[in-house]
Amino acid sequence: DAGVIQSPRHEVTEMGQEVTLRCKPISGHDYLFWYRQTMMRGLELLIYFNNNVPIDDSGMPEDRFSAKMPNASFSTLKIQPSEPRDSAVYFCASSFWTGNTGELFFGEGSRLTVL
Amino acid sequence: EDQVTQSPEALRLQEGESSSLNCSYTVSGLRGLFWYRQDPGKGPEFLFTLYSAGEEKEKERLKATLTKKESFLHITAPKPEDSATYLCAVQIVGNEKLTFGTGTRLTIIP
Repeated sequence: DAGVIQSPRHEVTEMGQEVTLRCKPISGHDYLFWYRQTMMRGLELLIYFNNNVPIDDSGMPEDRFSAKMPNASFSTLKIQPSEPRDSAVYFCASSFWTGNTGELFFGEGSRLTVL
Repeated sequence: EDQVTQSPEALRLQEGESSSLNCSYTVSGLRGLFWYRQDPGKGPEFLFTLYSAGEEKEKERLKATLTKKESFLHITAPKPEDSATYLCAVQIVGNEKLTFGTGTRLTIIP
């Protein structure tokens, strides 16, 4: 398997623009997580899905952020409108129910810069 | 609120110089404690899961241990390729999400 695939790897945009980050989880995994990583706050969970259903979105900063998982092989994280404080690396991770859902498989991340 | 604190923030060691990284936690019902390694520009990579106090796991030069309040990642005779940021995370009973600490950036000098 190719692992978790994220796109784009790098995104530079201007404040106010819409940003869409994409993720393809590992086939057969039924949990999908979106994390954000900054120097100041480390890795923060934004939202996670189980079998395509959002379970916990308490980490989503505000209404400008939204996430969807229309099927088992694709998820998006959208920021509209974007702000400079959204600059971070966004990671997608997946896992499967074997009793150890804490073993997450991370993608390589999408580095977002909002000017 | 669940809290995970890692220390030190950064650690520089000579090759072959053993040391330990600390992860202290305050949670309401620990389900598991996890260690990850993160290389620059990459996503975190899973290393270990620990479930109960007294448990130990080993992998090459790394050994993770767990008590009721903290976990240690012991690194024995490290090599330059062990340089990375090491993250610990906790998972509480009844929830699948992981709460991460801010990591220890380890540098091994040849």
